[in-house]
Amino acid sequence: GQQVMQIPQYQHVQEGEDFTTYCNSSTTLSNIQWYKQRPGGHPVFLIQLVKSGEVKKQKRLTFQFGEAKKNSSLHITATQTTDVGTYFCAGMNYGGATNKLIFGTGTLLAVQP
Amino acid sequence: GAGVSQSPRYKVAKRGQDVALRCDPISGHVSLFWYQQALGQGPEFLTYFQNEAQLDKSGLPSDRFFAERPEGSVSTLKIQRTQQEDSAVYLCASSLGVPGPLSYEQYFGPGTRLTVT
Repeated sequence: GQQVMQIPQYQHVQEGEDFTTYCNSSTTLSNIQWYKQRPGGHPVFLIQLVKSGEVKKQKRLTFQFGEAKKNSSLHITATQTTDVGTYFCAGMNYGGATNKLIFGTGTLLAVQP
Repeated sequence: GAGVSQSPRYKVAKRGQDVALRCDPISGHVSLFWYQQALGQGPEFLTYFQNEAQLDKSGLPSDRFFAERPEGSVSTLKIQRTQQEDSAVYLCASSLGVPGPLSYEQYFGPGTRLTVT
């Protein structure tokens, strides 16, 4: 079935350094969403990407959807301690075998002050 | 307004017991999802409701798992004869619309942490 993988699994950075997580799907996606889960918390929606090659920015966060709509990335510029948490991508292949969101494996970001 | 709420927040069950987990979605949200999240993993889809209709239950691990949303609002996930492998956080999420080429964001509840001893 459809699989969504993320790398790296874990990243430890010094505050102020940049961070990138990559998401790869085994199938073409209709759309992809990104969520952030703080330690002990629940996933919180960040953004949705729909178009091939789409790039969206939210302050220090930049999200990109690949041309083939099978991969995505999240880049954080100048990390802060408030960025700590696990970042999940979640993809859907609408009209495919199933219309559910498939969550990636997640990237845990640790930020050292 | 109020977000998605779940109860209980923590549940310890002895192997073989039945448990019922409750989800109160955001009022007016058509879609309701249940996920299972193991430690260090992403949420895994269990089942999906559109109003009171259970349209997708492909993620339910076994026939011991049963979910309902009889009036299209509150939902209950029931696990019969719990096993140790059922230990996980069970997350409920709701969204305003239905899945499509342009999906709606999902609002997650705080989850119920189930421990089966």
